[in-house]
Amino acid sequence: EPEVTQTPSHQVTQMGQEVILRCVPISNHLYFYWYRQILGQKVEFLVSFYNNEISEKSEIFDDQFSVERPDGSNFTLKIRSTKLEDSAMYFCASSNTVTRRPQHFGDGTRLSIL
Amino acid sequence: GQQLNQSPQSMFIQEGEDVSMNCTSSSIFNTWLWYKQDPGEGPVLLIALYKAGELTSNGRLTAQFGITRKDSFLNISASIPSDVGIYFCAGQPPGSQGNLIFGKGTKLSVKP
Repeated sequence: EPEVTQTPSHQVTQMGQEVILRCVPISNHLYFYWYRQILGQKVEFLVSFYNNEISEKSEIFDDQFSVERPDGSNFTLKIRSTKLEDSAMYFCASSNTVTRRPQHFGDGTRLSIL
Repeated sequence: GQQLNQSPQSMFIQEGEDVSMNCTSSSIFNTWLWYKQDPGEGPVLLIALYKAGELTSNGRLTAQFGITRKDSFLNISASIPSDVGIYFCAGQPPGSQGNLIFGKGTKLSVKP
């Protein structure tokens, strides 16, 4: 069964550094998403992306964050200047449409900010 | 913003028992999804519900989209040890472009 794949599985970064998290969505999916989950807490929506632009974003997704689809297969999340509170699991998801089709999640990237 | 109240927070049951968990909200949702998350992994979709009143099964799992569109439940029948994990409900608000709002999860422990 097709999967959403994310790399790296674990990223350790110094505070203030830039980090890029990568995702390969399911190949025929058109909608892409990033979520984060702080340890022990619920999953929180960050951003949705369709047709090469952001379609929706949450309050968490401030100017430090950006997303890009640099080629036909990858979808990236960049955090420009990381803060300690950015430490979390970051999940990528994709879906075929925005309604009536579920979002499928990758296994996440654990981001640890030192 | 919209919030989901998921209960119970945790459950300790004996293998073979049935399990029930639910999510409620003060706002309506167009879609309800149930996911299971194992440690170190991403949420895995169990059941998706798209219409008020819809009742859907997936093996031993059954979920329903409440008539009011403000709630959903998940039942697991005849639990087995591999059912252990955290179960999340997630709802998609009307007009959302994919923003899923998640509940805080129900941690299920099954004693063999």
